[in-house]
Amino acid sequence: GGIITQTPKFLIGQEGQKLTLKCQQNFNHDTMYWYRQDSGKGLRLIYYSITENDLQKGDLSEGYDASREKKSSFSLTVTSAQKNEMAVFLCASSIGLGQNTLYFGAGTRLSVL
Amino acid sequence: AQSVTQPDARVTVSEGASLQLRCKYSYFGTPYLFWYVQYPRQGLQLLLKYYPGDPVVQGVNGFEAEFSKSNSSFHLRKASVHWSDWAVYFCAVSMDTGNYKYVFGAGTRLKVIA
Repeated sequence: GGIITQTPKFLIGQEGQKLTLKCQQNFNHDTMYWYRQDSGKGLRLIYYSITENDLQKGDLSEGYDASREKKSSFSLTVTSAQKNEMAVFLCASSIGLGQNTLYFGAGTRLSVL
Repeated sequence: AQSVTQPDARVTVSEGASLQLRCKYSYFGTPYLFWYVQYPRQGLQLLLKYYPGDPVVQGVNGFEAEFSKSNSSFHLRKASVHWSDWAVYFCAVSMDTGNYKYVFGAGTRLKVIA
């Protein structure tokens, strides 16, 4: 089995701040994803990457940057944190695209003061 | 466009009672359908998945789901709920091609009472 590790678990930022979230996986999966989870809503895709150094925008990419410098890691940057923003960011990986099972990390909880 | 609707935001059942969580999807191709569960402070975990074939799919911990093309549904069932099933359940659909895109429902929060 493998594991997805997200750091930090909790992130508190100030309005306008640039914030970086990190994700590591040891499944040796090619594809990695960043999702945003808001209370009462489904998961919304921010970015995904099908291989090292590849980046693809999801439905919610505005306000975010991503980086995939290694196969095992995928980072997400909030370019300018919005006041009172609260959300959980979930990292996931899969063998390939589409219908394959997603494996999720435990999430990073963001609060912006 | 694909969409997934979970009409019940919250469901409360007694321990030992049966359970059905509803999921309706919208997609004109061949859907791949999933149920994921999220326990408190954890990421999502796969419960079961449907690939074209037998419409009834068995999953972990006694869960099963039934695909209905005519009703565009993929409802999750369990015969006897345990307190440890208290969690949020997400239905998701993915396309039948090599596309990245999963679409998730908003989730159903299941509460189990004694």
